Amino acid sequence: QQQVKQSPQSLIVQKGGISIINCAYENTAFDYFPWYQQFPGKGPALLIAIRPDVSEKKEGRFTISFNKSAKQFSLHIMDSQPGDSATYFCAASKARPGFQKLVFGTGTRLLVSP
Amino acid sequence: NAGVTQTPKFQVLKTGQSMTLQCAQDMNHEYMSWYRQDPGMGLRLIHYSVGAGITDQGEVPNGYNVSRSTTEDFPLRLLSAAPSQTSVYFCASRNPARTGVYEQYFGPGTRLTVT
Repeated sequence: QQQVKQSPQSLIVQKGGISIINCAYENTAFDYFPWYQQFPGKGPALLIAIRPDVSEKKEGRFTISFNKSAKQFSLHIMDSQPGDSATYFCAASKARPGFQKLVFGTGTRLLVSP
Repeated sequence: NAGVTQTPKFQVLKTGQSMTLQCAQDMNHEYMSWYRQDPGMGLRLIHYSVGAGITDQGEVPNGYNVSRSTTEDFPLRLLSAAPSQTSVYFCASRNPARTGVYEQYFGPGTRLTVT
């Protein structure tokens, strides 16, 4: 019930292409879904996040699509650039008062080829 | 602001040794957490704290201790290191979510190898 399943494990995209990473969750109590970006040797950093009251959120070239009925959400990177090469983690938690544990997916290593 | 800082950056231990991973944050965040990152397993929560003097277990707490005597510091202690604790450790901090949305800030990590 606490799992977040992420795919693919790795992804190679040509510069200018669209990168798509998918996640699925089981716990219907989850209502906060962030994506984190991690460069080699660094800690993860928040990229973009969504609440289930909207089906899509866009920030620049990054878009989260959310499908509540399917319990799935995905990250789309438009016009992918070599600088986007990193590991991406989806995550989920409850948005309630107090400390809510963030459950992470297993990560997707993205390589954008020049 | 330095954000979340961790020391050391790298550490090699022998089985059975103990050590403390240091974590500090200068953002006056109430919540602090420790995660471990292993290939193919994402980040897993070890311990967390909601304020000075208050700690609780996460998903994988065995073999680790924490304490929080100040808002700024949240050290992680390995009591008797085992090869299974070879991992990259991340400390994180944040404030309570006011609108259900929050940003968790991660430190740069400590790469630990236990031989």
